[in-house]
Amino acid sequence: DIVMTQSPDSLAVSPGERATINCKSSQSLLYDSNNKNYLAWYQKKPGQPPKLLMYWASTRQSGVPDRFSGGGSATDFTLTISSLQAEDVAVYYCQQYYSSVTFGQGTTVEIK
Amino acid sequence: QVRLQESGPGLVKPSQTLSLTCTVSGGSVSTGTYYWGWVRQPAGKGLEYIGRIYTSGINNYNPSLKSRVTVSLDTSKNHFSLKVDSVTAADTAVYYCARVDYSDSNAFDIWGQGTMVTISS
Repeated sequence: DIVMTQSPDSLAVSPGERATINCKSSQSLLYDSNNKNYLAWYQKKPGQPPKLLMYWASTRQSGVPDRFSGGGSATDFTLTISSLQAEDVAVYYCQQYYSSVTFGQGTTVEIK
Repeated sequence: QVRLQESGPGLVKPSQTLSLTCTVSGGSVSTGTYYWGWVRQPAGKGLEYIGRIYTSGINNYNPSLKSRVTVSLDTSKNHFSLKVDSVTAADTAVYYCARVDYSDSNAFDIWGQGTMVTISS
């Protein structure tokens, strides 16, 4: 099984500042034949279903603000919120779909 | 606009079978490049993948749950279902159904609102 580990578990960022979440996989998520990283990011708010933010590690889902960006390759990935807004307070999960599906443990983002 | 809606009992007794249905509207469960999956979230914990089914009927399950879980498709009712056998309190969670378009994002792009299931006598 592929294990996904996120860091930090939580972070507090001032409004307008940058928030960066890391996600590390226990094996490479880069599929050589298509040069794609099989990684997605979700935003989860209480009482709501998860919302897809990014897929293929760096492709923004339609309707997601461009302050969200994804990067990285193989085993190390990041989700960056360039200018944190109050509505971005949530738990963020990375998820691999290279082999079956596994989620990271989640990172809580709060306003400082 | 495709929408998903979970339904099923909110309370299940220990050792019994948990059964949930996800009804799909605005699209068909039997056509297209999709698979249909289940994810759960116990209170205060993270997301856990349960399993999925392709339109072809092929399944994939979380190895830690595989022995107790069945995901099936009912094309006549345009829904898919989840069964979890021999439930315990550890199966108490919000259960979500979701869709993946494997010709596009390959990620869970559409989700149901979720349904709370409590395992208790």
